[in-house]
Amino acid sequence: DTAVSQTPKYLVTQMGNDKSIKCEQNLGHDTMYWYKQDSKKFLKIMFSYNNKELIINETVPNRFSPKSPDKAHLNLHINSLELGDSAVYFCASSPQDSRTYEQYFGPGTRLTVT
Amino acid sequence: QQPVQSPQAVILREGEDAVINCSSSKALYSVHWYRQKHGEAPVFLMILLKGGEQKGHEKISASFNEKKQQSSLYLTASQLSYSGTYFCGVHTGGFKTIFGAGTRLFVKA
Repeated sequence: DTAVSQTPKYLVTQMGNDKSIKCEQNLGHDTMYWYKQDSKKFLKIMFSYNNKELIINETVPNRFSPKSPDKAHLNLHINSLELGDSAVYFCASSPQDSRTYEQYFGPGTRLTVT
Repeated sequence: QQPVQSPQAVILREGEDAVINCSSSKALYSVHWYRQKHGEAPVFLMILLKGGEQKGHEKISASFNEKKQQSSLYLTASQLSYSGTYFCGVHTGGFKTIFGAGTRLFVKA
C-alpha cells in the first residue's frame, strides 16, 4: 500500500546516455512534482503537473522532459546525461487544496552519471 | 526566493530541546516542515497556515509569525529518532513550495 513509489531506486549510467524514472501515487492527489536533491541536500523543484497539465517548469535544461499519462503517474526522461545530473530525484504529490499543498515524497532515485 | 533556516546544524543529548527557525522575505500563505533521515525521503511533519490554523505532529510543535514571515519548529525532550535534516517549505501562492537549505539535527545518547 505504498503511497508514492518510484522506479528505479538506483540508476548508474554513463555520460551521454538517455534514462527514465517512473513515479506513481495511489493517494488520489491531483498534483505531482519532480525535485532534485544535490549532494548538499538542497531540494529544488523541477516540474509540477496538476491533472496531467504542466503547471511548474523551473529553469531546467531541456534535456529533462516530464510526462504525465494520467494524474496518478509522472515520469521523467533525461537525454544526454551529464556528470552534473548526478543527484537524488524525488517524486512527490500533494492534494488539491488551495491552502495546504503538503508534499508526500517517493523514496527517491539515486542517479549516478559516470 | 529561498527561505533562510537557522541554525545550520544542532547537536543535542537525548531529552534536550531545540528550536529551528525559518524566515522568508516574501509574504507567506503557509509554512511546511519536513524531516529527512539519512538515505530516506523527506517526510511531512506539520503545516502552519496563515490565520493560525495548523495540522501536525503530536510531539513536535511550531509557530508562525505572519507579520515577520517567520516560523519556528520546537522539538522538546528530543529522542534519538529525532535525528535527521529538517526542512521548512514556504508557500507564497500557486502550487510551488520553496524549501530552505535544511537544519541538520543530531541527537546522541
